[in-house]
Amino acid sequence: QKEVEQDPGPLSVPEGAIVSLNCTYSNSAFQYFMWYRQYSRKGPELLMYTYSSGNKEDGRFTAQVDKSSKYISLFIRDSQPSDSATYLCAMATGGGNKLTFGTGTQLKVEL
Amino acid sequence: KAGVTQTPRYLIKTRGQQVTLSCSPISGHRSVSWYQQTPGQGLQFLFEYFSETQRNKGNFPGRFSGRQFSNSRSEMNVSTLELGDSALYLCASSSDLNAAGNTIYFGEGSWLTVV
Repeated sequence: QKEVEQDPGPLSVPEGAIVSLNCTYSNSAFQYFMWYRQYSRKGPELLMYTYSSGNKEDGRFTAQVDKSSKYISLFIRDSQPSDSATYLCAMATGGGNKLTFGTGTQLKVEL
Repeated sequence: KAGVTQTPRYLIKTRGQQVTLSCSPISGHRSVSWYQQTPGQGLQFLFEYFSETQRNKGNFPGRFSGRQFSNSRSEMNVSTLELGDSALYLCASSSDLNAAGNTIYFGEGSWLTVV
């Protein structure tokens, strides 16, 4: 069983929809949680970073962490075609710079 | 400020050969990590270097090795290439000893195809 599980999709939504992306994890030592966006043939770029349970909002993006359930989510409001990409959740224990990633969810936002 | 630079961007190698990939971190960053990305396994951690010392290593065979130079540039080497080594190899850099994801920046990767 992988330490981090993520539904690979693909997920297709109409423009303007609210998108919900999720990951579950099994390692209780994970204390830091990230969402990365990766466009085709590009490197991942950091979207959201959080280290506590609860919600964190940044523009159209909201990251949610529930440590008791070992579950994290990313919500995208008013989705745009430019949001079409692969979204990767990542986690870290805090000892060093090693990140453990989910396999990524491919999102397509259609006009 | 220049980002993380990886060379070459694309390469094709034959099974059994070896390959060396290069990474130049963001100026001032002393931590460099390497990841392998494949469609089936996603991003998997290979190793991390900080100030020329390997700090962490993932679960990859000994054919995968790396090093970091005094100017923080890093190289990774894969010997005796196998078809399954075909992947996107990503380098990430950070200025922090324990960034825990907050200040880790990725390059655009080196696409390796083994035939």
